[in-house]
Amino acid sequence: DARVTQTPRHKVTEMGQEVTMRCQPILGHNTVFWYRQTMMQGLELLAYFRNRAPLDDSGMPKDRFSAEMPDATLATLKIQPSEPRDSAVYFCASRGGRLNYGYTFGSGTRLTVV
Amino acid sequence: KNEVEQSPQNLTAQEGEFITINCSYSVGISALHWLQQHPGGGIVSLFMLSSGKKKHGRLIATINIQEKHSSLHITASHPRDSAVYICAVQGYNTDKLIFGTGTRLQVFP
Repeated sequence: DARVTQTPRHKVTEMGQEVTMRCQPILGHNTVFWYRQTMMQGLELLAYFRNRAPLDDSGMPKDRFSAEMPDATLATLKIQPSEPRDSAVYFCASRGGRLNYGYTFGSGTRLTVV
Repeated sequence: KNEVEQSPQNLTAQEGEFITINCSYSVGISALHWLQQHPGGGIVSLFMLSSGKKKHGRLIATINIQEKHSSLHITASHPRDSAVYICAVQGYNTDKLIFGTGTRLQVFP
């Protein structure tokens, strides 16, 4: 089965450190999403790309978060500097080119900032 | 008021029971998604609906566009069905999803 691959699965870091999360979308999927899940807020969209171009990053704190797609096989989400309130599970998802295609989610990166 | 409301928030059942989870939404949509998340696990897409009914194994999803309501049914529930079920809606001409808060289901043997 085709999968969305996220690395790392778990990350513990100290406040102030830079964190980079990576996502490999399904080959041929041209829309890639970054979501954050917390107990309090549930799932929130941070940013998404179509054909590698950012379409919406309004859910992302711009001062510390950045999202990029350096190529079609890699999406990155970076936090610099990290803060304890960034502790959450970060999911990447991808979908194909038509709006009636479903979403495929990665297994998530569980981030803990201490 | 949330744009996507799910009920119940928590549900316990005995193995074999028929289960229904409900989702109501207040916005116009092009599709509705049902997702499943096991404890500590990833998110799996179960269904994407724009009308009518879909069935996959013991899972059935229905949607009534006029009433802005969808249901997820599980027949002959099993402990492995224990998970959080999340309803999400997709607006017109957009990829963005609006999520419900989820229904936590526990099925006991």
